[in-house]
Amino acid sequence: QKEVEQNSGPLSVPEGAIASLNCTYSDRVSQSFFWYRQYSGKSPELIMSIYSNGDKEDGRFTAQLNKASQYVSLLIRDSQPSDSATYLCAVKLSSARQLTFGSGTQLTVLP
Amino acid sequence: ETGVTQTPRHLVMGMTNKKSLKCEQHLGHNAMYWYKQSAKKPLELMFVYNFKEQTENNSVPSRFSPECPNSSHLFLHLHTLQPEDSALYLCASSQDNAWDTEAFFGQGTRLTVV
Repeated sequence: QKEVEQNSGPLSVPEGAIASLNCTYSDRVSQSFFWYRQYSGKSPELIMSIYSNGDKEDGRFTAQLNKASQYVSLLIRDSQPSDSATYLCAVKLSSARQLTFGSGTQLTVLP
Repeated sequence: ETGVTQTPRHLVMGMTNKKSLKCEQHLGHNAMYWYKQSAKKPLELMFVYNFKEQTENNSVPSRFSPECPNSSHLFLHLHTLQPEDSALYLCASSQDNAWDTEAFFGQGTRLTVV
């Protein structure tokens, strides 16, 4: 089992819709969870971090964490074509103090 | 601009060459990282430095040699690389290694080994 798993996609949503990106992790006692956005040919850019169960909102982005289900998600409301990118889920596993990344989900927002 | 600068942005080198990648962070962070990103694969952690001390070597071949002269600078020395080493090499920094610190990436060096 991979330590951090994401559906590779591609995920396509129409402009204005809600995009839902999902991530599961294997280490039950992980404490820190991060979402990065990576445009093609560019480096990852931190969007949000979340540490506690529940929702965390920042503008059009909402991160959701459920530690019991070992699940973290990112919702993008009112999706824009400029949101088209690969979204990387990253987790700080209890066995390490650095980030372990999923393989990313490619999102396309159709005009 | 994230405050983490990598040079060069692109590098083409032969298998017998020696080159170095440079990373500089202007964020006052104490931890720095090298990651490798190959096509269709997750980001792979290579090395971690915390307060200038190497704390992680993720089974990286010896043809990759890191150097961290101070908390603001990180180098990756390359020699006798193989074509499969072609990838995007990313440097990142964070305040420290604590569980709740966020990491910020540089723009990366696109390396091609011919």
